[in-house]
Amino acid sequence: NAGVMQNPRHLVRRRGQEARLRCSPMKGHSHVYWYRQLPEEGLKFMVYLQKENIIDESGMPKERFSAEFPKEGPSILRIQQVVRGDSAAYFCASSPPTGEAAFFGQGTRLTVV
Amino acid sequence: AQSVTQPDIHITVSEGASLELRCNYSYGATPYLFWYVQSPGQGLQLLLKYFSGDTLVQGIKGFEAEFKRSQSSFNLRKPSVHWSDAAEYFCAVGYTNAGKSTFGDGTTLTVKP
Repeated sequence: NAGVMQNPRHLVRRRGQEARLRCSPMKGHSHVYWYRQLPEEGLKFMVYLQKENIIDESGMPKERFSAEFPKEGPSILRIQQVVRGDSAAYFCASSPPTGEAAFFGQGTRLTVV
Repeated sequence: AQSVTQPDIHITVSEGASLELRCNYSYGATPYLFWYVQSPGQGLQLLLKYFSGDTLVQGIKGFEAEFKRSQSSFNLRKPSVHWSDAAEYFCAVGYTNAGKSTFGDGTTLTVKP
């Protein structure tokens, strides 16, 4: 049973480009969460999704960031027109419907140059 | 709003010594409490969790934590630290769902030989 899979592990983008981060949840998990970790800081919640629904996006920046979890395929976190301040590690977690445990992927480390 | 404080940014202990990592939370209801460990460049691994019941919870790798409601604390302990325990440790608080949590800023553990 594979864990939460995130790709790519490392992503370099120039300022103004788009970044797409992918997350495949564990088998049987229908809930996905995205977090951002800035250097020397803890994880900050961004968004919570179920299949085809955004449940809670209270942590998402209002502009340039979007997330989806389609009926088929991985969840995508999309950052448009990246800026240096977007450089961070982005983690995805998944949980079963009961929500009693969350499992984290290994993260995507985004570097904006 | 809920918050989590890990007062110690960095702790150094000798191998074989005991360990206690502090965590205090601020929350209006009975929280779900978690401890995660993160090795450099890796994702987060759940060490243990508290939802209800016995306030002393056992986790993986010989860790335990005690929930003290009167002190709003959930400190992590290990009787004898191994060199492989060197990592960053995060305390987290959730409400209804393990996936949507508020994280502390982490404590970095260094283990001296």
